Amino acid sequence: NAGVMQNPRHLVRRRGQEARLRCSPMKGHSHVYWYRQLPEEGLKFMVYLQKENIIDESGMPKERFSAEFPKEGPSILRIQQVVRGDSAAYFCASSLTTGTGVNEQFFGPGTRLTVL
Amino acid sequence: GQQVMQIPQYQHVQEGEDFTTYCNSSTTLSNIQWYKQRPGGHPVFLIQLVKSGEVKKQKRLTFQFGEAKKNSSLHITATQTTDVGTYFCAPGSARQLTFGSGTQLTVLP
Repeated sequence: NAGVMQNPRHLVRRRGQEARLRCSPMKGHSHVYWYRQLPEEGLKFMVYLQKENIIDESGMPKERFSAEFPKEGPSILRIQQVVRGDSAAYFCASSLTTGTGVNEQFFGPGTRLTVL
Repeated sequence: GQQVMQIPQYQHVQEGEDFTTYCNSSTTLSNIQWYKQRPGGHPVFLIQLVKSGEVKKQKRLTFQFGEAKKNSSLHITATQTTDVGTYFCAPGSARQLTFGSGTQLTVLP
């Protein structure tokens, strides 16, 4: 059973370009979360999605950032017109359920975005 | 999300010494999870605590949830070099985890 997959693992973009980060959750998981981690800092929640729905995007910057989790295919985090401050590691996590019980989140290896 | 303060930020120990990291909140937490992140790696789930006063053990790791459910701790007995990494507490809700700033543990051989 493959874990959470993210690609690319490393992404370099110039200021003003677009970045697309992809995440395939664990098999059977329908809940996907995106987090951003700046160097030497903790993870900051960005967005929580279920298939075709954004459930909570309270951590997403209002501009330039968007996320989707289509019925078919991976979840996509899209950053338009990247700036140097967007340089960070972006982690995707998935979970089986958010109901009662242990709500363990399984993290992917992350995408390290560098904006030149 | 619920805010938590995690201390210390950094901890250096000699191999074999004990280590403790603390997570404190000003509000009551419904549950708290702990994760470990190795240098250059991704967070890995360690445990979830739900009940007031709960204590759980995993080999050399002991996790506690305070009686008031406002604080939690992770204690490692007799650290090993494999314990190196950053330990995060993360109060959970139905929609997100709010990660503490983490405690970065260095174990000197």
